[in-house]
Amino acid sequence: AQSVTQPDIHITVSEGASLELRCNYSYGATPYLFWYVQSPGQGLQLLLKYFSGDTLVQGIKGFEAEFKRSQSSFNLRKPSVHWSDAAEYFCAVGPSGTYKYIFGTGTRLKVLA
Amino acid sequence: GAVVSQHPSRVICKSGTSVKIECRSLDFQATTMFWYRQFPKQSLMLMATSNEGSKATYEQGVEKDKFLINHASLTLSTLTVTSAHPEDSSFYICSAQPGQGYNEQFFGPGTRLTVL
Repeated sequence: AQSVTQPDIHITVSEGASLELRCNYSYGATPYLFWYVQSPGQGLQLLLKYFSGDTLVQGIKGFEAEFKRSQSSFNLRKPSVHWSDAAEYFCAVGPSGTYKYIFGTGTRLKVLA
Repeated sequence: GAVVSQHPSRVICKSGTSVKIECRSLDFQATTMFWYRQFPKQSLMLMATSNEGSKATYEQGVEKDKFLINHASLTLSTLTVTSAHPEDSSFYICSAQPGQGYNEQFFGPGTRLTVL
């Protein structure tokens, strides 16, 4: 069955530190991959997406993600976290051939001043 | 571009009443729209998929008589929560997808429903 796993429910980092949020998926072929951020009480904002091509994807707000086919992973990274990055982050998979997204359970990021 | 709006952003209603939530694609035509439900500190759960002019497809476990979805035009879908009860209180998010073969959804800002 298709699934998305975000192993870390909570992550706390200090402001200025680097960040990596993990995302693993289970799917028979290369899916479309997305990272979204959600602030409390808000909708989803797309950070970046991967459909094909270069496996290192640049997004907004200084985020990037790398698609690793061999590991079925699409981890999100940021070299230096800002306090405003504190939010919930969701990885999503959009299997080609369907229009449905499968969301991971989310990772809540806390940033220490 | 690709903006999706939802109205209202917040609604409080009494138990037993019905509530309608609108989802609009403002600058594109949405062949398909999706409705999600999100409980506090949880992920998004897809409730249903709607295509313009046809009946919505509901996910397993979602009561279609409780959550009525109408995709009346290429820019508007509505979710009506009928005879709402406190357990229906949640954050409802819609998304819209432009055209066939366009495998990206654009999300609305969400509607917070509180049933007293």
